[in-house]
Amino acid sequence: GAVVSQHPSWVICKSGTSVKIECRSLDFQATTMFWYRQFPKQSLMLMATSNEGSKATYEQGVEKDKFLINHASLTLSTLTVTSAHPEDSSFYICSAVDWPSGNTIYFGEGSWLTVV
Amino acid sequence: AQTVTQSQPEMSVQEAETVTLSCTYDTSENNYYLFWYKQPPSRQMILVIRQEAYKQQNATENRFSVNFQKAAKSFSLKISDSQLGDTAMYFCAFIRSEKLVFGKGTKLTVNP
Repeated sequence: GAVVSQHPSWVICKSGTSVKIECRSLDFQATTMFWYRQFPKQSLMLMATSNEGSKATYEQGVEKDKFLINHASLTLSTLTVTSAHPEDSSFYICSAVDWPSGNTIYFGEGSWLTVV
Repeated sequence: AQTVTQSQPEMSVQEAETVTLSCTYDTSENNYYLFWYKQPPSRQMILVIRQEAYKQQNATENRFSVNFQKAAKSFSLKISDSQLGDTAMYFCAFIRSEKLVFGKGTKLTVNP
């Protein structure tokens, strides 16, 4: 079946640096991808909707300049956390929508970000 | 405003018994999709079941079934013959305005 691959699974970075997380749809074209953040013991919080070839749509309260989202191709969306701070440490997870297959949604494995 | 509401933060059930997790949602749309996802400790999101709003028949996947009440905007998940591997967080989700949004989740524990 369709698979969404997210990389890296784990990343540790120094405060003030930037880190990029990739989300790839492996065997279908994903015009839409979602990026979520999940705090411990909480639900998935939608950060932004990434549409191929256009600017991402951010949810209220999400800093566009801190969380840069690029969806340059139908199989790849990236989330770049810029000037990372310890409070950005979290679990980030992406999902990709296969609209032609009846709105089937596939999730990546998630990425643990630790900012030290 | 809360779009998807799961009113049970935690639930527990004995192995082999049946448990029902509740979910209500809010929308003015007529055609939409509802989902139940399972998130085990590995954090991988696993699709349990999906319901299309225009279908009156309740979706069923093996031991998992839903009770979809469109007028009441209710979408509960029934797990029959609960197994230890069913222990996980369960999230109700809904595609609204082409966004997939989640409820706060229900932590289900299956006891031996």
